[in-house]
Amino acid sequence: GAGVSQTPSNKVTEKGKYVELRCDPISGHTALYWYRQSLGQGPEFLIYFQGTGAADDSGLPNDRFFAVRPEGSVSTLKIQRTERGDSAVYLCASSLKGPQGWGYNEQFFGPGTRLTVL
Amino acid sequence: KNEVEQSPQNLTAQEGEFITINCSYSVGISALHWLQQHPGGGIVSLFMLSSGKKKHGRLIATINIQEKHSSLHITASHPRDSAVYICAVNPTDKLIFGTGTRLQVFP
Repeated sequence: GAGVSQTPSNKVTEKGKYVELRCDPISGHTALYWYRQSLGQGPEFLIYFQGTGAADDSGLPNDRFFAVRPEGSVSTLKIQRTERGDSAVYLCASSLKGPQGWGYNEQFFGPGTRLTVL
Repeated sequence: KNEVEQSPQNLTAQEGEFITINCSYSVGISALHWLQQHPGGGIVSLFMLSSGKKKHGRLIATINIQEKHSSLHITASHPRDSAVYICAVNPTDKLIFGTGTRLQVFP
């Protein structure tokens, strides 16, 4: 079956511009996660959705970052007034919710979107 | 101090060698994950464990909850095992990642 997909795979933009990154989770997965990975580092948590609502957005670095999941499936990560420091690979993952809670569920990762801000 | 620390950061091996990558964490967790990331590629989940030991092919993962420590072992390593191996923990509903161990296996 289809895995998690992300578009675009690469995005180059200029400082100050607005960008949108899209994530299509595995069908039926109710949890969706966004992470950011800088070069040579492990991924960092940004936000996670339970259905349509953001259950935890504590990882968003500032108010230039926003994410939505209006129908509980596809999610869009939006970055306003991009800065060079936003350059990274943005990863999306999805998982099922099991009876013991989210922590016990395997997360399936997309290939990522490489964002470069010039 | 990072909540998840891995060692070593970089590891080189000859084909056939037994490899161990270590992960220590400082928070209470519900599960620990071992992930594999190939250059330019996405992340693949290898193991999720909350106790004991799991084995899949040549890969073995162990966890000691009391000591807050996990190890990933690769037996009979092969050049195709070359990748970054990442340890991640679930204290709540989000993953906290280590910085990864870059493994290179030479023929």
